[in-house]
Amino acid sequence: EVQLVESGGGVVRPGGSLRLSCAASGFRFDDYAMHWVRQAPGKGLEWVAGIGWSRIAIGYADSVEGRFTISRDNGKNSLYLEMNSLRTEDTALYFCVKDEYCSANKCPFDSWGQGTQVTVSS
Amino acid sequence: EVLLTQSPGTLSLSPGESATLSCEASQSVSTLHLAWYQQKPGQVPRLLIFGTSRRPTGIPDRFSGSGSGTDFTLSIDRLEPEDSAVYFCQQYGSWYTFGQGTKLEIK
Repeated sequence: EVQLVESGGGVVRPGGSLRLSCAASGFRFDDYAMHWVRQAPGKGLEWVAGIGWSRIAIGYADSVEGRFTISRDNGKNSLYLEMNSLRTEDTALYFCVKDEYCSANKCPFDSWGQGTQVTVSS
Repeated sequence: EVLLTQSPGTLSLSPGESATLSCEASQSVSTLHLAWYQQKPGQVPRLLIFGTSRRPTGIPDRFSGSGSGTDFTLSIDRLEPEDSAVYFCQQYGSWYTFGQGTKLEIK
C-alpha cells in the first residue's frame, strides 16, 4: 500500500522559511516523479512543484518560482520542499503527491498524503 | 498557462439522478492529459478519471468522462448520497493546472 506522510508544517512569519518533508513507502520511490500540491483553506488545488525520478526534470508554479526548492533523496525514499520568503498567500495545506497512469511521460496524481499545514501570519 | 473553468459552481440533485459537470480549457488539451478528482469533506482528493475517459482500478463505472479540445465532461449516473463532494478537473499536458471545482450536493 502506498503511504505518503508529510511533516514540517507550522506557523511562520512573513519572510520566514520552512522545510517540508515527505516519507514515502509501499512503492519503488525512485521509479516515480513526485510533486507538492497545496490547498488554501476552503479553496481549490494548486500544483506547487514537481521533480522527476532522476532529479533532472524539475518544475515550479510561477507563484513560487525563485522562493521554493523541491528535492528528493531516493536512498531515503523522501521528498522535500524548502520554502523561503514566505508570504501570507502561501498559507495552505501542502500535499505530497505521487503520479501514475502516465501517457507520453505525462501523468495525473494517483496517491496523496494527508497533508501538512503551513500558516504564514504576523 | 492553461486555465480551466468548471461549471456549474454548485449542483444540487437527488439520489438516483444523473449529474453532468463541465470543464472548459482556455486552449486545446490533449485527451490523453485531462483528469478528474473527487474530494469529500475532510478527505484528500481521489483520482476518478484520467486520459479523459479512463478509470483507475476501483472506480465505479457510474463515473465516466468524455470530451476533446477545450470542452470536457464528467458524468455521474445513479447518484448516491456518498457522491456529495467537490469535483476538480486537471490538465497535465502543459505542467499542471486545476479547475476551481464544482460542488455536488446530493439531497
